[in-house]
Amino acid sequence: AQTVTQSQPEMSVQEAETVTLSCTYDTSESDYYLFWYKQPPSRQMILVIRQEAYKQQNATENRFSVNFQKAAKSFSLKISDSQLGDAAMYFCAYRNFNKFYFGSGTKLNVKP
Amino acid sequence: DTGVSQNPRHKITKRGQNVTFRCDPISEHNRLYWYRQTLGQGPEFLTYFQNEAQLEKSRLLSDRFSAERPKGSFSTLEIQRTEQGDSAMYLCASTPGTYEQYFGPGTRLTVT
Repeated sequence: AQTVTQSQPEMSVQEAETVTLSCTYDTSESDYYLFWYKQPPSRQMILVIRQEAYKQQNATENRFSVNFQKAAKSFSLKISDSQLGDAAMYFCAYRNFNKFYFGSGTKLNVKP
Repeated sequence: DTGVSQNPRHKITKRGQNVTFRCDPISEHNRLYWYRQTLGQGPEFLTYFQNEAQLEKSRLLSDRFSAERPKGSFSTLEIQRTEQGDSAMYLCASTPGTYEQYFGPGTRLTVT
């Protein structure tokens, strides 16, 4: 069974600093997709970044980048130059075929 | 295009009552998903549709839950004989079938 684990329930970062959120997953498949979603307080979930498992190159979207380690089944999110607006719940998600599996989330606090 | 919408945003009901939620996906998206999210957890898959066909249901979905997507447009999720354990945020997401999902704001259900 596919599972997604986020071992950091909560993290804090100083504004303008860098933070890394961890995610591991369990699968026997070789072709899948990985995502990081952001859920601000009382607002809807939005996609931050995605990674295709067949791509060796780590995905980057502006200040957001991932460290994808396929053999280790690890998919961490790095946020550079953290901003107050980055404060939210972050969910790691795995997609195989037509189903998505989400981790339990990491609450990110950004200190001014 | 205004994104995925869900109604109502909040619903308070007494135990034993039936409730129905509606999701309007992004118009050109052929896949629609329903999730349940409890406090401190990530979204949990309930069911999904491709056009009007319901292709998969979670084993966690009891017989009290039913979902429809007539004509492949909007979808409804009905919970019969609600229980306090049904209290949660119910999320809808749509996708054109490529990679990511676009989430609605959710319907928060409170069963008293």
